[in-house]
Amino acid sequence: DTEVTQTPKHLVMGMTNKKSLKCEQHMGHRAMYWYKQKAKKPPELMFVYSYEKLSINESVPSRFSPECPNSSLLNLHLHALQPEDSALYLCASSPTKDRGPQPQHFGDGTRLSIL
Amino acid sequence: AQKITQTQPGMFVQEKEAVTLDCTYDTSDPSYGLFWYKQPSSGEMIFLIYQGSYDQQNATEGRYSLNFQKARKSANLVISASQLGDSAMYFCAMRAANRDDKIIFGKGTRLHILP
Repeated sequence: DTEVTQTPKHLVMGMTNKKSLKCEQHMGHRAMYWYKQKAKKPPELMFVYSYEKLSINESVPSRFSPECPNSSLLNLHLHALQPEDSALYLCASSPTKDRGPQPQHFGDGTRLSIL
Repeated sequence: AQKITQTQPGMFVQEKEAVTLDCTYDTSDPSYGLFWYKQPSSGEMIFLIYQGSYDQQNATEGRYSLNFQKARKSANLVISASQLGDSAMYFCAMRAANRDDKIIFGKGTRLHILP
């Protein structure tokens, strides 16, 4: 069983809808990540939170809005998405860089389809 | 600059045979971690194995071992006695100790195990 939990597993939404993706980890990690992944490609980093503060935004469009309410939770708020935003969205967590080059642990992902 | 190279886009292997998936990396950082992830068609990203740059011995986890050759900057994944369930995409990844919290992914190798 994965220790990083993502909900929902599947989401279909229209271009005018507002929805949120949720991620929860109980590994005690203080770095959390959002990735977007297209078929047959590696994950593309979107955002990084370190100690609940946004540390990296990879020039993601503002229709994606991340939030880290506490050290265990990470949300991704979606609004006015485009069809090209359809993808697998992965959440991950890891120890922060001051703990050494440790791996990230991923959730099962949310498959998002934009109609 | 950091880079991960996986030169095998796809591989076909007979069940029960051993498999080697190639990975080379480039970094100027003296301290780094190397990882392998497995991604089945269902989408979850499963962490398999970790090798630290200062580790003297090659990492092993069950049927997985990492053939770490530091001078050649290679970190090949070896799967012994392959099984049908090993069919998946495999990503090699790297994280430097003294940089940001990012990890760098290779493009992946699609492994097909034949019955």
